[in-house]
Amino acid sequence: GAVVSQHPSRVICKSGTSVKIECRSLDFQATTMFWYRQFPKQSLMLMATSNEGSKATYEQGVEKDKFLINHASLTLSTLTVTSAHPEDSSFYICSASQGETSAYEQFFGPGTRLTVL
Amino acid sequence: GQNIDQPTEMTATEGAIVQINCTYQTSGFNGLFWYQQHAGEAPTFLSYNVLDGLEEKGRFSSFLSRSKGYSYLLLKELQMKDSASYLCAAMDSNYQLIWGAGTKLIIKP
Repeated sequence: GAVVSQHPSRVICKSGTSVKIECRSLDFQATTMFWYRQFPKQSLMLMATSNEGSKATYEQGVEKDKFLINHASLTLSTLTVTSAHPEDSSFYICSASQGETSAYEQFFGPGTRLTVL
Repeated sequence: GQNIDQPTEMTATEGAIVQINCTYQTSGFNGLFWYQQHAGEAPTFLSYNVLDGLEEKGRFSSFLSRSKGYSYLLLKELQMKDSASYLCAAMDSNYQLIWGAGTKLIIKP
């Protein structure tokens, strides 16, 4: 089956610093990658959708200048949380699909637990 | 507005059967997904229904009624490892996934 990796799996940082999270599709080319955030006991919240080589589409209420997304290749997307604050502490999950929309099955990465002190 | 409803928590006994219900309201419909999510882990795909009826896959089955905006996930021969959250997600006309909050399933010996 399709495998998606995320790095790092866990990160603790000081308030004000920036954190980069990588999402890679290991055995398939991901036309579309999705970034989600999940707070404890809550559902997945889609933050943005990115297609290789184009700008990401952000969901309403998600600050694109704070959450920088780069989808440089068909196998790699990165999410950078800039000037992180404690309220940004969350579980960040990426997923990848081979379709141009989420019409195709999404394969999820293992997630990144971000803690901002 | 778009909405997904599923129970917050359910408890069942090892070896038994449990049915997790999901109702949805979306702008258009392009299918219903079920995902399993263990605590602290990412979701894993269980099933996809776009036509009415029951799809069986081993111990897990998923049912869809488009006219009723209703789906359920049926888990048979429950095992302790089935303790997890089960997420229902409906795809709208823009192919966006609308996620439910998840049902936490607790399996007791």
